[in-house]
Amino acid sequence: DAKTTQPPSMDCAEGRAANLPCNHSTISGNEYVYWYRQIHSQGPQYIIHGLKNNETNEMASLIITEDRKSSTLILPHATLRDTAVYYCIVLVYAGAGSYQLTFGKGTKLSVIP
Amino acid sequence: GAGVSQTPSNKVTEKGKYVELRCDPISGHTALYWYRQSLGQGPEFLIYFQGTGAADDSGLPNDRFFAVRPEGSVSTLKIQRTERGDSAVYLCASSPGALAGGDNEQFFGPGTRLTVL
Repeated sequence: DAKTTQPPSMDCAEGRAANLPCNHSTISGNEYVYWYRQIHSQGPQYIIHGLKNNETNEMASLIITEDRKSSTLILPHATLRDTAVYYCIVLVYAGAGSYQLTFGKGTKLSVIP
Repeated sequence: GAGVSQTPSNKVTEKGKYVELRCDPISGHTALYWYRQSLGQGPEFLIYFQGTGAADDSGLPNDRFFAVRPEGSVSTLKIQRTERGDSAVYLCASSPGALAGGDNEQFFGPGTRLTVL
């Protein structure tokens, strides 16, 4: 059970901000939200993660609602190289030190020239 | 520095054969994960190592699948009597260690594409 819901696909014009939504209404208070992306024929790439506060790094920003039931990944100026499948994941402790990632189907983002 | 590497990048085998897939994690990373990704799906967890021991193998589909990490670094995923349904991309990921809560980002290799004819 992925515990997250994402739209299957989105388009974004090159140079514009891409806002990717994710619902995680059953998230527990100590569970983190992680975002990965997978460009075609490559392994998944870590983007960003957060618990309660909004986060920003060189790749993206993560906005988490106050009730933590949803979040939005923002790519401020999308480029063609950002075309990928984006996965929103609630990181769950699986026991024995394992933080296995449970991937859903993600959102296929297409950046249009 | 070097990322996670996996060899071979592609493996074609015949039904019933034995295969080994290798993963070289990032130096110093104690946690290592194997995932399998079928066409059109997200990766699915197979097994997790903390150091040399398989701490969680709950994702292995059956006893034809086995993995080792004898020295706590390189790991090998072994599949016996391969079946056509084993065809997938096998991904390896490593992370610095089992830290509570955050800072558990996993770094993935490029994967091995296994095709069973």
